[in-house]
Amino acid sequence: AQTVTQSQPEMSVQEAETVTLSCTYDTSESNYYLFWYKQPPSRQMILVIRQEAYKQQNATENRFSVNFQKAAKSFSLKISDSQLGDTAMYFCAFMKVYNNNDMRFGAGTRLTVKP
Amino acid sequence: NAGVTQTPKFQVLKTGQSMTLQCAQDMNHEYMSWYRQDPGMGLRLIHYSVGAGITDQGEVPNGYNVSRSTTEDFPLRLLSAAPSQTSVYFCASSRQYYTEAFFGQGTRLTVV
Repeated sequence: AQTVTQSQPEMSVQEAETVTLSCTYDTSESNYYLFWYKQPPSRQMILVIRQEAYKQQNATENRFSVNFQKAAKSFSLKISDSQLGDTAMYFCAFMKVYNNNDMRFGAGTRLTVKP
Repeated sequence: NAGVTQTPKFQVLKTGQSMTLQCAQDMNHEYMSWYRQDPGMGLRLIHYSVGAGITDQGEVPNGYNVSRSTTEDFPLRLLSAAPSQTSVYFCASSRQYYTEAFFGQGTRLTVV
């Protein structure tokens, strides 16, 4: 079974600074998808960024980027120019190819952006 | 533009009671899923569906039933509620299994 580990239960960062959230996963698959989801206090789950394992290039979405290290099975999220609205729980998730929407989530990292 | 709608948002049940959590999406997505979120454990898949009439079990299916009679609706049934089912439940849908999953607002269920 695939497992996803987020080793930082809580993190904080000053507004406008950069923070990196860690995620590692365990799989024997060679092709899969990785995701970062954000859950603000409203409880809504929001996709932040998505990476396809067969793509070498790291995904980027505005201030959010990932460092995907396939051999190390690592998928960290970097948030640049942190904003107060980035305060949320962040979940790393893994999905095998052709497994019918069965996403496996990590336990989450609670990020607080301080003014 | 409703997206994924879950009802109710909050519910308190007594042990042994049954209830149905409703989930509806208006995006014509084939894939729908139910997750539960417990503190310190992230989200875990309960059941999923790849289209009307097709459902399958996820990681933690015991105590829950689902059916998918239409593309839009994917209700989750608790047959005999237990305190261990106290959790926040999320319904999600996606166009394809590997594309962005859109989540509902969640249902906070407490079983006493």
